[in-house]
Amino acid sequence: EAGVAQSPRYKIIEKRQSVAFWCNPISGHATLYWYQQILGQGPKLLIQFQNNGVVDDSQLPKDRFSAERLKGVDSTLKIQPAKLEDSAVYLCASSLDEGNYEQYFGPGTRLTVT
Amino acid sequence: AQTVTQSQPEMSVQEAETVTLSCTYDTSESDYYLFWYKQPPSRQMILVIRQEAYKQQNATENRFSVNFQKAAKSFSLKISDSQLGDAAMYFCAYNNAGNMLTFGGGTRLMVKP
Repeated sequence: EAGVAQSPRYKIIEKRQSVAFWCNPISGHATLYWYQQILGQGPKLLIQFQNNGVVDDSQLPKDRFSAERLKGVDSTLKIQPAKLEDSAVYLCASSLDEGNYEQYFGPGTRLTVT
Repeated sequence: AQTVTQSQPEMSVQEAETVTLSCTYDTSESDYYLFWYKQPPSRQMILVIRQEAYKQQNATENRFSVNFQKAAKSFSLKISDSQLGDAAMYFCAYNNAGNMLTFGGGTRLMVKP
């Protein structure tokens, strides 16, 4: 079974530029999560999708961050414009469904904003 | 809001020895789940063990076991017979059946040969 795929693995941009991350969850997983992990900290949930609907985006900085999950499969997370403090690893995870199912994590995208 | 605290930023253990990582949490809920995740340097987060709050029996997965103290809101991870491959960041996480995982700050475990 293929795991959660993310791309790119690394990205370096200048502040005020825009960037997009892509995630492909495990086949059949209805729930998809985006986390931000700042160096030396635990991951923080940004947004949770159930199929193509948003369940929780309370911690997403909506003035600059946006995410979508069209067709309930792949998802993209965008930052526009980026700030220095957005430097972090962005982790995508998926689970079979809502509830306390195990979350499977992708390898992450390391973003550096200069 | 729920909080998860890991008070040990770094821990070190000799290969083949036993080590315990600490975690405390704060919640007003009675039904919830607790997890330990491992994040090796490659950064792929992997579930190590999970505990349902309604279960009194501590969870065990091979060399990994937990000491769950519900009244004290404590959830420690014990790794027995430590191996070099156990070296990683370990994160304690909480979930109250609302799907959102709240993570602690992590503990870096080093294993000495």
